[in-house]
Amino acid sequence: NAGVTQTPKFQVLKTGQSMTLQCAQDMNHNSMYWYRQDPGMGLRLIYYSASEGTTDKGEVPNGYNVSRLNKREFSLRLESAAPSQTSVYFCASSGQGVTEAFFGQGTRLTVV
Amino acid sequence: RKEVEQDPGPFNVPEGATVAFNCTYSNSASQSFFWYRQDCRKEPKLLMSVYSSGNEDGRFTAQLNRASQYISLLIRDSKLSDSATYLCVVKIYNQGGKLIFGQGTELSVKP
Repeated sequence: NAGVTQTPKFQVLKTGQSMTLQCAQDMNHNSMYWYRQDPGMGLRLIYYSASEGTTDKGEVPNGYNVSRLNKREFSLRLESAAPSQTSVYFCASSGQGVTEAFFGQGTRLTVV
Repeated sequence: RKEVEQDPGPFNVPEGATVAFNCTYSNSASQSFFWYRQDCRKEPKLLMSVYSSGNEDGRFTAQLNRASQYISLLIRDSKLSDSATYLCVVKIYNQGGKLIFGQGTELSVKP
């Protein structure tokens, strides 16, 4: 059982380049999330999706776009990467109600 | 004000000690609560859910006080393997299941 799968695991971008982080879950969860984590800080919510076809901004959405392609997949796009977007990105999914979230292994992104 | 606040620590304790972590949340619509553990910036993993009546899992006890909007985690008889960052998490149902994390509390258990 794969759970939540994120790709890629590592990425180095030059300032101004674009890229898409992919996330897929096989647990039939309605909700999916994207977080970033910077050194010494907790996870900050970028965007989330309560169900297929809906997305909502979190705490730090600027510079990012998302797509909930279907129930399984939720992608995060950086249109023009900046050094301030160097971070570890985590995707997560959760069922409805009192159910926990499961996380992917993270994408370590460096923007130079 | 952050929606979920934790004391970032670090907490440095000897093996066998009892340590308590606290967390406060500001959104009264928050309806589910969790403690997660994170090792070395790997993916967070669920430690335990937090129920209104309080709940225990071995050496770990979680408490919730909805009136004060306060969550706690107690670790008894600390082990070296408990060294990690502990994250408080709230789930807000009326915002589509939005999950908000505290900044985490770092625990280091020494021999």
